Amino acid sequence: EPEVTQTPSHQVTQMGQEVILRCVPISNHLYFYWYRQILGQKVEFLVSFYNNEISEKSEIFDDQFSVERPDGSNFTLKIRSTKLEDSAMYFCASRLAGGLVGIQYFGAGTRLSVL
Amino acid sequence: AQSVTQLGSHVSVSEGALVLLRCNYSSSVPPYLFWYVQYPNQGLQLLLKYTSAATLVKGINGFEAEFKKSETSFHLTKPSAHMSDAAEYFCAVSATNSGGGADGLTFGKGTHLIIQP
Repeated sequence: EPEVTQTPSHQVTQMGQEVILRCVPISNHLYFYWYRQILGQKVEFLVSFYNNEISEKSEIFDDQFSVERPDGSNFTLKIRSTKLEDSAMYFCASRLAGGLVGIQYFGAGTRLSVL
Repeated sequence: AQSVTQLGSHVSVSEGALVLLRCNYSSSVPPYLFWYVQYPNQGLQLLLKYTSAATLVKGINGFEAEFKKSETSFHLTKPSAHMSDAAEYFCAVSATNSGGGADGLTFGKGTHLIIQP
């Protein structure tokens, strides 16, 4: 069964460093999402992406964050200068064009630890 | 704006007993509602969805949920718990009037379901 793949499963970085979290969405999906979950808190929407541009972003998604679809298969989230509070589990999701809103397929997540 | 409240961060039931996980939502427009399940070290898997058709929705693994507009609730139930149901369960809401279908989901904090033998 097709699945969303995220790498790495765990990323450790120093405060102030740039990190790139990688996702390979399901191959025929056209909408892409990033969410994060700080330990003990709820899953929060960060950004959605369609047709090579951001469709929607939350107030969490500030200038430190960026997303890119560099080729036909990858979808990345970059954090330019990490802060301690960026430590969280980051989930990528994708869905088909058309169909009902919200049937998003999620990856297993990348745990980001900022030291 | 939307929000989701899941009552009880942990719910413990005996194997074979009824499972009831509570979810209340707030939405300024008619909502779409979802339950996702997360097993350890895995992503979020869609259990079931409500999209303004039948108010009683059946999902995978014997779960079902009922949309009650008057109570703004979408509680998840399963008649008989199985050990394999132990996982984290998330309720989520999405607005029906979002343009382009590219909106994000608003999640609750999750409920950890514990099954006792």
